[in-house]
Amino acid sequence: AQSVSQHNHHVILSEAASLELGCNYSYGGTVNLFWYVQYPGQHLQLLLKYFSGDPLVKGIKGFEAEFIKSKFSFNLRKPSVQWSDTAEYFCAVTGYQKVTFGTGTKLQVIP
Amino acid sequence: DTGVSQDPRHKITKRGQNVTFRCDPISEHNRLYWYRQTLGQGPEFLTYFQNEAQLEKSRLLSDRFSAERPKGSFSTLEIQRTEQGDSAMYLCASSPSVGALELFFGEGSRLTVL
Repeated sequence: AQSVSQHNHHVILSEAASLELGCNYSYGGTVNLFWYVQYPGQHLQLLLKYFSGDPLVKGIKGFEAEFIKSKFSFNLRKPSVQWSDTAEYFCAVTGYQKVTFGTGTKLQVIP
Repeated sequence: DTGVSQDPRHKITKRGQNVTFRCDPISEHNRLYWYRQTLGQGPEFLTYFQNEAQLEKSRLLSDRFSAERPKGSFSTLEIQRTEQGDSAMYLCASSPSVGALELFFGEGSRLTVL
């Protein structure tokens, strides 16, 4: 069975600080990996995705993530956060026909 | 708006009552998913449809829960004899059948059981 672990539950940063959110997954087959974001009062939306190829993927709003197969990790990064990045971030992995989500990381950016 | 829509957005009910949620997916998407999300948790998979066929159902889904997608378009999720533990956000998502799985979520239906 597939599973996802997000180790940071709540992160508080000042604007312009760098961000890295950890995500580790467990799945025996070929994986597709995602980061979803949920802004306050809004629905979940896709931030970025990895299917194959270049393990460094770039998403919207300056976010990127690196797939490291040997570490079963897919960490999310952003060099300089903004107040508008305040949201909850979910890492997700697909197995066969199903997407499994982590418990999420709440990011609070202080102006 | 051609996104995923869910109705109602918020439902308050008394314990023991039945509730039904509806989801209208993006029209060209063949796959439809229901998830449940509680405070502090990520979305938990409940069930999945490929067109009108229900292909997988989580063990989280007790026999009080039933989902249908009769014509392969909209879907309903019914909870019978609601319990306080059913209080959660019920999320619907759809995905195209071609290519890797990418979910498009609706706004969710929040259930409060008193």
